[in-house]
Amino acid sequence: QVQLVQSGAEVKKPGASVKVSCKASGYTFTTFFMHWVRQAPGQGLEWMGIINPSGTSRNYAQKFQGRVTMTIDTSTSTVYMELSTLRSEDTAVYFCARMNGESLDYWGQGTLVTVSS
Amino acid sequence: DIQMTQSPSSLSASVGDRVTITCRASQNINIYLNWYQQKPGKAPKLLIYAASFLQSGVPSTFSGSGSGTDFTLTITSLQTEDFATYYCQQSYSAPLYTFGPGTKLEIK
Repeated sequence: QVQLVQSGAEVKKPGASVKVSCKASGYTFTTFFMHWVRQAPGQGLEWMGIINPSGTSRNYAQKFQGRVTMTIDTSTSTVYMELSTLRSEDTAVYFCARMNGESLDYWGQGTLVTVSS
Repeated sequence: DIQMTQSPSSLSASVGDRVTITCRASQNINIYLNWYQQKPGKAPKLLIYAASFLQSGVPSTFSGSGSGTDFTLTITSLQTEDFATYYCQQSYSAPLYTFGPGTKLEIK
C-alpha cells in the first residue's frame, strides 16, 4: 500500500533552517510528482511547491521563493523540503503529498516544525 | 494568481442533514478543482477530483459539481464522521496550486 512517512518534529531558533523528509513506499516513486503543503496552528492549508519525480524540476509558491528548496533522492524514494531563515510565522505542520493526475491522493502524516527562541 | 474563496466559513448541521459548501475561483478554472476533508490532527483526505469525480473509497454521500468559477460540494445524509473541515484546491494554474480557506462543518 502507498505510504508517505515523514521525519519527526523539529524545534528551531529564528534564522535557522529545517529539512523535513518524506519517504515513499508502495508505488513506483519515479512516476509521481510530489507536493509540500503546510498548515499553521488553527489555520488553513497553504501550498508551498511541487517537485518532479526525478528532482530536475521544481516550482515554488512565490511566498517561499528564495527560502525553500525541494529535493529528491531517488535511491531511497525520499523527498526533502528545506526551509531557511526561519521565523516564528513558519511554525506549522508540514505535509508531503503525492500528486495523481491533478489532485493529491496520498499524504504524509505531517511534521510539526516549531520556531522559537 | 488565482484566488479561491469558500462559503460559508463555518456551518452547523445535524446528523442526517444535507449540506452544500461552495467554492469560487477568481477566474475560469474549467474543472480543475479538488475537494479535501481534514479532521483535527490528521492529514487531508482527497474526496473529489476534477470537480465531480469521487475518489476511490469515498462514500457516495459526497458529490461535487460545477465548472468555470463556481463549484459545490454536497454531502447528503450527514454522518458523525463527516464533521470536519473541507478545503477546495485549484490545479488549473499548474504548476502553481491554491487552496481555499476552508469550511468547518460542526455538529449542531
